[in-house]
Amino acid sequence: NAGVTQTPKFRILKIGQSMTLQCTQDMNHNYMYWYRQDPGMGLKLIYYSVGAGITDKGEVPNGYNVSRSTTEDFPLRLELAAPSQTSVYFCASSSRGAEYSNQPQHFGDGTRLSIL
Amino acid sequence: AQSVTQLDSHVSVSEGTPVLLRCNYSSSYSPSLFWYVQHPNKGLQLLLKYTSAATLVKGINGFEAEFKKSETSFHLTKPSAHMSDAAEYFCVVSLLNTGTASKLTFGTGTRLQVTL
Repeated sequence: NAGVTQTPKFRILKIGQSMTLQCTQDMNHNYMYWYRQDPGMGLKLIYYSVGAGITDKGEVPNGYNVSRSTTEDFPLRLELAAPSQTSVYFCASSSRGAEYSNQPQHFGDGTRLSIL
Repeated sequence: AQSVTQLDSHVSVSEGTPVLLRCNYSSSYSPSLFWYVQHPNKGLQLLLKYTSAATLVKGINGFEAEFKKSETSFHLTKPSAHMSDAAEYFCVVSLLNTGTASKLTFGTGTRLQVTL
């Protein structure tokens, strides 16, 4: 199984450009998440989804958008890239959510994004 | 509210000596606790999890952690460090959310260095 796959692995953007970070999982998980990881910090939740067609904001959603048209895919879009969005982005998925808080999340290898 | 504090940002040990990575948590309710490991340029991998069963939890690669409610701690240990253990380690707490997705709160990470 591939698990959680993120593309691209690396990207450099200019200020004001837009891009979409792709995330796909093959574990048939209903729950998917986007995090950002800044140096010396833990992961911060950007957006999450509990199933196709349902998304919600996390801790740091400003400047990002998401969609969830299928169970497998959960893309993250940056509309107007800003230097503050330079970070490593991780996508994750899990089989269950709040009612089973002991379900671990499975992570992709990350997308390293620099905004110059 | 929930929070997690990793008491050391950097730990250095010699190969073959014990490893201790410290984590304290704050939670209003009974938490689920996890340790994740992140190798360079990789995503996070689950090491072990505590979910209110046995207080001593065994994980992969010889790691284990003990849940101590009285001390609100969940320290990660390993009897003998190996060079391949060099990585970033994250302590994570999860609670039932009022929403519909489990929310993870990450510590800021401990970088483990293993020397010869």
